Amino acid sequence: EAGVTQFPSHSVIEKGQTVTLRCDPISGHDNLYWYRRVMGKEIKFLLHFVKESKQDESGMPNNRFLAERTGGTYSTLKVQPAELEDSGVYFCASSLLGAGYGYTFGSGTRLTVV
Amino acid sequence: SQQGEEDPQALSIQEGENATMNCSYKTSINNLQWYRQNSGRGLVHLILIRSNEREKHSGRLRVTLDTSKKSSSLLITASRAADTASYFCATDSMDSSYKLIFGSGTRLLVRP
Repeated sequence: EAGVTQFPSHSVIEKGQTVTLRCDPISGHDNLYWYRRVMGKEIKFLLHFVKESKQDESGMPNNRFLAERTGGTYSTLKVQPAELEDSGVYFCASSLLGAGYGYTFGSGTRLTVV
Repeated sequence: SQQGEEDPQALSIQEGENATMNCSYKTSINNLQWYRQNSGRGLVHLILIRSNEREKHSGRLRVTLDTSKKSSSLLITASRAADTASYFCATDSMDSSYKLIFGSGTRLLVRP
């Protein structure tokens, strides 16, 4: 079984530019989550998809962040325009159940905004 | 607000020694999990302990949970250099079962 795939693994962009992160969940997992770890701090929840619908986007920091999940398959997280404080590691996870267990995390995308 | 807080923030031990990491949380939970992140890699699930359990073992890992003190500990016995990683506790909450709330993590260095 393929795991959760994220790409790119690392992205370096200039402040003001746009970056799009992608997450391919495990096939059949309706639940997809985005988390991020900024500046070595705790890992924080961003949002939760059930299929193509946003179940909870309470963790999205501001309107520069836009997440989509077309057709309930892969998801993208776009940051536009990127700011310095957006630097960090963005994790995606998927699960069969909409519960706080049974997650499989991807390897993350390290975003550096300079 | 931060749910889980872990201590120590960093721990350096010799191979073969035991490593103990602690986690405290604030709200009622259904379960608590521990994850590991190797440098540059994703989060790997280690162990889950439910709120009605007090202790759980998995290989060289031992987790305890004290819901009265809202705290948990992770013990890694006979540590190996390959255990070098960051360790995070994560809780769900009684009112948001799908959302994980992570602590800030403990960086463990196991010296060969």
